[in-house]
Amino acid sequence: EVQLVESGGGLVQPGGSLRLSCAASGLTFSDHYMDWVRQAPGKGLEWVGRSRNKANSYTTEYAASVKGRFTISRDESKNSLYLHMNSLKSEDTAVYYCVRVGGYYDSSGHYYIDAFDIWGQGTMVTVSS
Amino acid sequence: DIVMTQSPDSLAVSLGERATVNCKSSQSVLYSSNNKNYLAWYQQKPGQPPKLLIYWASTRESGVPDRFSGSASGTDFTLTISSLQAEDVAVYYCQQYYSTPLTFGQGTKLEIK
Repeated sequence: EVQLVESGGGLVQPGGSLRLSCAASGLTFSDHYMDWVRQAPGKGLEWVGRSRNKANSYTTEYAASVKGRFTISRDESKNSLYLHMNSLKSEDTAVYYCVRVGGYYDSSGHYYIDAFDIWGQGTMVTVSS
Repeated sequence: DIVMTQSPDSLAVSLGERATVNCKSSQSVLYSSNNKNYLAWYQQKPGQPPKLLIYWASTRESGVPDRFSGSASGTDFTLTISSLQAEDVAVYYCQQYYSTPLTFGQGTKLEIK
């Protein structure tokens, strides 16, 4: 069974830093794009950023709202994804979800990404003084 | 950025009746290389993470009941629940995964009438 388990959330002061972790099991971690999605209390879903798969050199991409403050990294040996958050603001308060991006190779070897097929349970980050 | 607009914001339907949620993208999410619409639907129940229901606009995820269906017409997309069950009470989101930043609709809250 594929499972994603987030940890590292908590209360942090504005301007502070936090690192979220996502432990993946039941999948070949390096094969998949992995994203972070957040949800502010009572609000909708917001894409935070992406770590592409090993075949795409684990390159990253970010939403404009977090670019320059958040960094996504991986530890292949631990099957873990991380979200390093700096210069936190009150508007970063949210549940943060780690998600697996589905995908497949066609007969010519081209990789097509797909929807978010596996979600973690989420970890709450509260930015407040 | 591609803007996803859902309608209605909330919906109350009687048990056993049909529920329809609409989603419109501000530009095409049809990828020419594989002729697929990069549009997904998710269901989120209170206190739970979202769950994938439909991808490629109309392909049901494994294990999703067949009362859930998706359709597409240009940049207009529809999620239909053919016969509403009590366990379908949730918020439903559409999402485009055609290009980054990936974007979601604002959500549609579905309740029992």
